[in-house]
Amino acid sequence: QQQVKQSPQSLIVQKGGISIINCAYENTAFDYFPWYQQFPGKGPALLIAIRPDVSEKKEGRFTISFNKSAKQFSLHIMDSQPGDSATYFCAASFKGGSEKLVFGKGTKLTVNP
Amino acid sequence: NAGVTQTPKFRILKIGQSMTLQCAQDMNHNYMYWYRQDPGMGLKLIYYSVGAGITDKGEVPNGYNVSRSTTEDFPLRLELAAPSQTSVYFCASSQNDPFEAFFGQGTRLTVV
Repeated sequence: QQQVKQSPQSLIVQKGGISIINCAYENTAFDYFPWYQQFPGKGPALLIAIRPDVSEKKEGRFTISFNKSAKQFSLHIMDSQPGDSATYFCAASFKGGSEKLVFGKGTKLTVNP
Repeated sequence: NAGVTQTPKFRILKIGQSMTLQCAQDMNHNYMYWYRQDPGMGLKLIYYSVGAGITDKGEVPNGYNVSRSTTEDFPLRLELAAPSQTSVYFCASSQNDPFEAFFGQGTRLTVV
C-alpha cells in the first residue's frame, strides 16, 4: 500500500491559533516525510521534513510530530498568520533514495485575520 | 536564479490534438519529474528521470511520453489529448533526494 492519507481536507483557523494537519501511512518502507506548502498559482515548495528516527522537528513556527508505532505524522503551525493561508501536502518517500514521492491529497488552510 | 521553468503557463487543447509541455532547470540537477495535480487530489507522478537518457514511468503514465536528451530539459508529450488529461502539470527537479525537489509554477491544461 503506497497511500498517504491526509486530514482534514480544509481547515479554518483564527490568527494566532494553532493549525494541525494529520497524515497516516501504511507502508513501513517509507523513511522520509516532507511537508510541502503551495500558494495559489504556484508550485509546491518544501516546508519541513522529518525522518522516522526522531519524534519531533521544529523550524520556527512549524513543527512536525512523528509517531512511528502509529504510523502517523502531523504538522503544527503555531501562532498561525494570514500569510500561512495555503494548501499543505504531506508526502512520503521510500528507503534507498527512491525517486518517487507519494503525496497526500492536501489540506487547504485559511487563517482569518 | 530561474530554477525550474515551465512553458506554457496555460493551454487549451481540442480532443485528439497533441502538444509538448516544456520544462527546463538551471540547477544542474540529476533528477527531474512530471506530476499532475487534479482538484482535491495530491500530486501524482507521471514520469521521472534520474539523468540524461534515462526515464521511467510513474503512477499515471498512460497517454504521455517523455525524453531526456540533456540534463537541463525534460519535455512531456501528450498524444491524442483527452478530457481526462485536463489538469495542472508540474515539473520538478532535485539533485539527489526526491523530497528536496524544486517545483516549477505549473502548466494549466484544459482539453475540450
